[in-house]
Amino acid sequence: QKEVEQDPGPLSVPEGAIVSLNCTYSNSAFQYFMWYRQYSRKGPELLMYTYSSGNKEDGRFTAQVDKSSKYISLFIRDSQPSDSATYLCAGRGTGGGNKLTFGTGTQLKVEL
Amino acid sequence: DGGITQSPKYLFRKEGQNVTLSCEQNLNHDAMYWYRQDPGQGLRLIYYSQIVNDFQKGDIAEGYSVSREKKESFPLTVTSAQKNPTAFYLCASKLPGLAGHNEQFFGPGTRLTVL
Repeated sequence: QKEVEQDPGPLSVPEGAIVSLNCTYSNSAFQYFMWYRQYSRKGPELLMYTYSSGNKEDGRFTAQVDKSSKYISLFIRDSQPSDSATYLCAGRGTGGGNKLTFGTGTQLKVEL
Repeated sequence: DGGITQSPKYLFRKEGQNVTLSCEQNLNHDAMYWYRQDPGQGLRLIYYSQIVNDFQKGDIAEGYSVSREKKESFPLTVTSAQKNPTAFYLCASKLPGLAGHNEQFFGPGTRLTVL
């Protein structure tokens, strides 16, 4: 079993839809949770991060972590074609070189 | 502009050859990381270095080697011992500290193809 599980998609939604992307994890030591966005043939870019449980909002994006169920979510409101990318979730603990453990990524396509 | 540079963007290698991928950062970050990305497998950690002249193996270090002689540089050598080297290689760096906003910053990647 992988430490971070993520549905690879692809997920296709119409422009303006609310998108929900989800991950589960198994490592109880994870304290920090990240969402990276990766466009085709590019390096990932940090989109959101959350410490421990709770919600964090940044514009159209909301990251949510529920440590009791080991569940990570990213919501995108008013989705745009420019949101079409692969979204990677990741978690890490507080030691060991701050190593990140990534999910496999979910491919999202927002259609006009 | 501060950032991470990876070169070359595309690299072709014949079987049995060693090849070195370059990673340079001018962000003054202490920690640097190498990942490989394969379809359906996400990013997997190869090596990481928290300070100059020190580095540790990640989850899939076999067939790879690194050096960290300068803070800004962390080259990765893919040796002939790596059985399946064709992949997208990503370098990342990070400031020290636990705060989430100091998370890993990625370069543009190098796509390595073995012919």
